[in-house]
Amino acid sequence: GAVVSQHPSWVICKSGTSVKIECRSLDFQATTMFWYRQFPKQSLMLMATSNEGSKATYEQGVEKDKFLINHASLTLSTLTVTSAHPEDSSFYICSAAGTGLRGGYTFGSGTRLTVV
Amino acid sequence: TQLLEQSPQFLSIQEGENLTVYCNSSSVFSSLQWYRQEPGEGPVLLVTVVTGGEVKKLKRLTFQFGDARKDSSLHITAAQPGDTGLYLCAVSGGYQKVTFGTGTKLQVIP
Repeated sequence: GAVVSQHPSWVICKSGTSVKIECRSLDFQATTMFWYRQFPKQSLMLMATSNEGSKATYEQGVEKDKFLINHASLTLSTLTVTSAHPEDSSFYICSAAGTGLRGGYTFGSGTRLTVV
Repeated sequence: TQLLEQSPQFLSIQEGENLTVYCNSSSVFSSLQWYRQEPGEGPVLLVTVVTGGEVKKLKRLTFQFGDARKDSSLHITAAQPGDTGLYLCAVSGGYQKVTFGTGTKLQVIP
């Protein structure tokens, strides 16, 4: 089946630093990847849609200069949280849509970001 | 206003009990998905329903899509501790974006 690998699974960083999260499709080509944020005890909120070779589309209220998304290949998308603040602490999850996938989408296992 | 409202928000039951989770909207959807998410993990797809009135069964889980395709329910029979998790309904919109419901956190006590 389709597998999406997300790395790292958890990261702790200091305020003001940047953190990069990777999302890879292991056995299929992901033409589109999605980035979600999930706060404790809440549902997933879509942050942005990432299309290979083009600029990401951000949802309303998401700062594109703070959450940099790069989808340089059909198997890799990255989310960089720049100048992280404690309020950016959250669970970040990617998902991928690609050719040959039926029905729902495949999600990564998530990245727990803690900014101290 | 949330596109997909789920109820209840939290549910704690004893092993062996039955339960139903609801997913409601004022919009009509061509299909609807249910996911289960465990702590520290990404959501895992359980089922996709596409036809109004459709009923799908997955072992002890029964999923139903409303006749008008605006709502859905998930019924679990004889809940087990392994059913514990966050249950999310979701719909796919333009550009393949998935919008999730507000979520139902289920705890099954042994």
